[in-house]
Amino acid sequence: NAGVTQTPKFQVLKTGQSMTLQCAQDMNHNSMYWYRQDPGMGLRLIYYSASEGTTDKGEVPNGYNVSRLNKREFSLRLESAAPSQTSVYFCASSAQTSAQPQHFGDGTRLSIL
Amino acid sequence: AQSVTQLGSHVSVSEGALVLLRCNYSSSVPPYLFWYVQYPNQGLQLLLKYTTGATLVKGINGFEAEFKKSETSFHLTKPSAHMSDAAEYFCAVSQMEYGNKLVFGAGTILRVKS
Repeated sequence: NAGVTQTPKFQVLKTGQSMTLQCAQDMNHNSMYWYRQDPGMGLRLIYYSASEGTTDKGEVPNGYNVSRLNKREFSLRLESAAPSQTSVYFCASSAQTSAQPQHFGDGTRLSIL
Repeated sequence: AQSVTQLGSHVSVSEGALVLLRCNYSSSVPPYLFWYVQYPNQGLQLLLKYTTGATLVKGINGFEAEFKKSETSFHLTKPSAHMSDAAEYFCAVSQMEYGNKLVFGAGTILRVKS
């Protein structure tokens, strides 16, 4: 009963370091999403992938890159981490292409010092 | 651009009392509307959604919400609060003209007192 799995759950980085957040879903879903959650701001869409092989920018893509490695996996990369990227990151998926997310992972708590 | 406003960042109710979480949206066309719940250290779960048709939508865990176009509102209610309802609740809106992307409100933390 895995659903959407994110790794790692916690990470502390220094400014300028790079990191890849991993996400995998086992529900054969077409669409996958990366959000960041900041206090008092709800969730904001970083990038999404409507289907395998496609990715598109969301509301706040600057400083991030993504890869839809296959249908199961959708990774988020910070090339040069900045303190403003301290946040909780959620991966999500949906069965239908470009539909709203149905299932969320438990999040990755990332601190940039 | 579409937006969502959740009135009250914190709401406190007694166990057994009515739960009312307020959500207003801005949109020039009828949107799709959603409520999600987030328990501590977990991701979001979809509670309910409105797309078309009946304006009163029933969701999981006894929650329901009513779409009122004239008031641009989609308030979430539950007749009797349970301790397990303590969580953060997010209202969200999406529109086809914006690629169905979700825009979330800031969230309301619900506290249930015994």
